[in-house]
Parts: sequence; structure tokens; C-alpha cells
Amino acid sequence: GAVVSQHPSWVICKSGTSVKIECRSLDFQATTMFWYRQFPKQSLMLMATSNEGSKATYEQGVEKDKFLINHASLTLSTLTVTSAHPEDSSFYICSARMDNSPLHFGNGTRLTVT
Amino acid sequence: ILNVEQSPQSLHVQEGDSTNFTCSFPSSNFYALHWYRWETAKSPEALFVMTLNGDEKKKGRISATLNTKEGYSYLYIKGSQPEDSATYLCAFVLNAGNNRKLIWGLGTSLAVNP
Repeated sequence: GAVVSQHPSWVICKSGTSVKIECRSLDFQATTMFWYRQFPKQSLMLMATSNEGSKATYEQGVEKDKFLINHASLTLSTLTVTSAHPEDSSFYICSARMDNSPLHFGNGTRLTVT
Repeated sequence: ILNVEQSPQSLHVQEGDSTNFTCSFPSSNFYALHWYRWETAKSPEALFVMTLNGDEKKKGRISATLNTKEGYSYLYIKGSQPEDSATYLCAFVLNAGNNRKLIWGLGTSLAVNP
């Protein structure tokens, strides 16, 4: 089955630093990748949609200069949280999709900003 | 505001019991309804993608029904086993032209006691 690898699984960083999260589709080419964030006791919230070779589409309220998304190839998308603050501490999870198939998710990244 | 509601929020059953839970979604601009199973420390796994009113899908002991006119889907688990313990998420796919968005419920957390 389709496998999506996301790393790191967890990261602790200091306030003001940047953190990069990688999402790779291992055995298929993902035309679209999605980045979600989940705060405790809340549902998955879409942050942005990235299509290979084009700029990401950000959801309302998500700062594109703070959450940099790069989708340079059909198998790799990265999310960089720049100048992280404690309120950015959350669970970030990526998913990939071929055409209209169901989503294939990574394992997620737990980010803690101290 | 588009809401996807899942009930109950959590559920404890004994091994062998059959159980079901509900996903309620908007009855307009429907494109599809996804069900995912999310086990702790793993990535969400797609169970079903449902598109037609009256559709019923089955995968082993798990089945789902769909009513797009009244805006609900039921997920049934027959003869629950401890390995069924997970959070079950549904996602409503909004038909917004070329930009179809998934709107997620909070999930139903199922615990099956041996």
C-alpha cells in the first residue's frame, strides 16, 4: 500500500529557531500533499495544500511567511516553521494523495517550542 | 460555518460486542465522505471513501452507510476486538468547484476491553 514517511516524529526547539519537517511518499508519486495541524482536543485543521512545482495554497489564518512549504518533487514536501514560538507547539501531520484517492498520512510530528 | 460532528466522542465496549457511531455533515455541496482509523502512534489509515447516497461499504467486520440527503454516515463494527481500539475519523469532502476541501470531525475514540 501507499506509504508516507514523515520526520522527525518529535522535536523540541527553542523559541526563535526554525524547524523543518519532511514528508515523503515512498512508493508513489503524490500529486498533492496536505499539511495539517492538530491542537489538543481539536480536529485536524488544514494549513496548506501543496502541488508539486507550484506555490502552496494556504488556508485563511495561516501565515505563509511563517510556515514555509516547499514541494520540489512528486515525492517530497517540506514544512518549515520559522521563528517558532511556544504557541506553535502542536501536532503537525502531512498527507499525500494521488488524484481522488483517499489520503495517505505520515505519522505526524509533535513540535514543542520552549 | 461547516461542521462535521461525530458521536459519541468516546466509547468503551467489551470484546465481542457490536458497536456503531455516527458522522453528521452538511447535506449540501457534498462530494464524498471519508472514514479513517487512527491507532495510537500510527498514521491514520483510510477505511472507506463513500460518494453515493445509499452507499454501503464493507471491509471485514467494519461497514459503513451513507445518507447524503440527511447528512449522516454510520460506521458499524461487528464483534469488536481489542485491535479495533482506535480513533475513527470521518471527513466530509466539500464540493467547491476545482478546490475540494476535507472537513474533519473530532473523531470517536473506541476502546475494546478484552
